[in-house]
Amino acid sequence: EDKVVQSPLSLVVHEGDTVTLNCSYEVTNFRSLLWYKQEKKAPTFLFMLTSSGIEKKSGRLSSILDKKELFSILNITATQTGDSAIYLCAVDDYGQNFVFGPGTRLSVLP
Amino acid sequence: EPEVTQTPSHQVTQMGQEVILRCVPISNHLYFYWYRQILGQKVEFLVSFYNNEISEKSEIFDDQFSVERPDGSNFTLKIRSTKLEDSAMYFCASRAGTGIYEQYFGPGTRLTVT
Repeated sequence: EDKVVQSPLSLVVHEGDTVTLNCSYEVTNFRSLLWYKQEKKAPTFLFMLTSSGIEKKSGRLSSILDKKELFSILNITATQTGDSAIYLCAVDDYGQNFVFGPGTRLSVLP
Repeated sequence: EPEVTQTPSHQVTQMGQEVILRCVPISNHLYFYWYRQILGQKVEFLVSFYNNEISEKSEIFDDQFSVERPDGSNFTLKIRSTKLEDSAMYFCASRAGTGIYEQYFGPGTRLTVT
């Protein structure tokens, strides 16, 4: 059964800290891995990763994929209170389309 | 900036009733999706739609569910006979086309079945 696991499930940090969120997966036909940020309602797209070892970067956020070890990490440097959200990892599996992980709830305290 | 819209934002219905959730994807997008998120749980894929037909569906998407793109603008999810366990937030998403994987999500419809 395809699955996506995220850790930690919950994380509390202070502004300025750096965090690393983890996502591991087991899917039948991997196509890509996506990271989303979910604040109050709908997820918003952050990154899509298809190749190992190539870092994607957007401001203070960056992400990388390891297709051999079947995981990805999302890094956030110099965290701000506005980074507080649930971060979702999803894998695009040709067979089942998108399989989401449970999310990591990040709380950034002032 | 173009966005996906969904109506209603909140729907309350009685068990056994039919509901239709409406979505207007971003204009010119070609792929459409429905997801649901039961309160406190993970986002679950329901169905994807392309070229006026279902391209993929999950085990959740049984005979009680159907999707339609009736007029080239709206994308609807119908639940024929709602059950208590259908209570969830339903998200519609769309993406532009082949090779472009970013999905844009709508704000969701909260369905409450009593």
